[in-house]
Amino acid sequence: GDSVTQMEGPVTLSEEAFLTINCTYTATGYPSLFWYVQYPGEGLQLLLKATKADDKGSNKGFEATYRKETTSFHLEKGSVQVSDSAVYFCALAGGTSYGKLTFGQGTILTVHP
Amino acid sequence: EAQVTQNPRYLITVTGKKLTVTCSQNMNHEYMSWYRQDPGLGLRQIYYSMNVEVTDKGDVPEGYKVSRKEKRNFPLILESPSPNQTSLYFCASKETGKIYEQYFGPGTRLTVT
Repeated sequence: GDSVTQMEGPVTLSEEAFLTINCTYTATGYPSLFWYVQYPGEGLQLLLKATKADDKGSNKGFEATYRKETTSFHLEKGSVQVSDSAVYFCALAGGTSYGKLTFGQGTILTVHP
Repeated sequence: EAQVTQNPRYLITVTGKKLTVTCSQNMNHEYMSWYRQDPGLGLRQIYYSMNVEVTDKGDVPEGYKVSRKEKRNFPLILESPSPNQTSLYFCASKETGKIYEQYFGPGTRLTVT
């Protein structure tokens, strides 16, 4: 079945540091890939998405490129802010199961001033 | 405002006492689903519904029931809760035909003692 693996966390950075959170996936067919963010005490919000190979999703300074050859969708941001502190989830949909999102385990990001 | 609402947000109960967590969306979405979030496991789908009166099991359906009598509502029922169902629960909805952009509710924190 489909699966998503995220880098182990938590990740702690200083403000303005560069962020990378690794994500790799296993899926049948041509899934769509997503990053969701969960701020403390809130539900999940879609951060960015990519629906086909070589697509780059971007939002709020975050970027991720759909790499089919390496089955990866790493999240990057050039300069993090304290307000980026949250849990980040990589997810895929449309592999073998319509509608269902398959999530990675989540990465806790803490940014210090 | 487009949203998914859940009630209650927090619930502490005892083993075996039946409970229902409600979910409602105002976006006229046909597809709705329930996930549970556990540390280190990400989110896993419990049940989903592709339309009124159409429901099916997700990855972890044991101990749960759902119903979909109206398009906007998708309650999650625990008929005999057990401590291993202590978790954070999310309801989500999306349009049929689009495999991305699921909208999540704020979550329900359930503790079963």
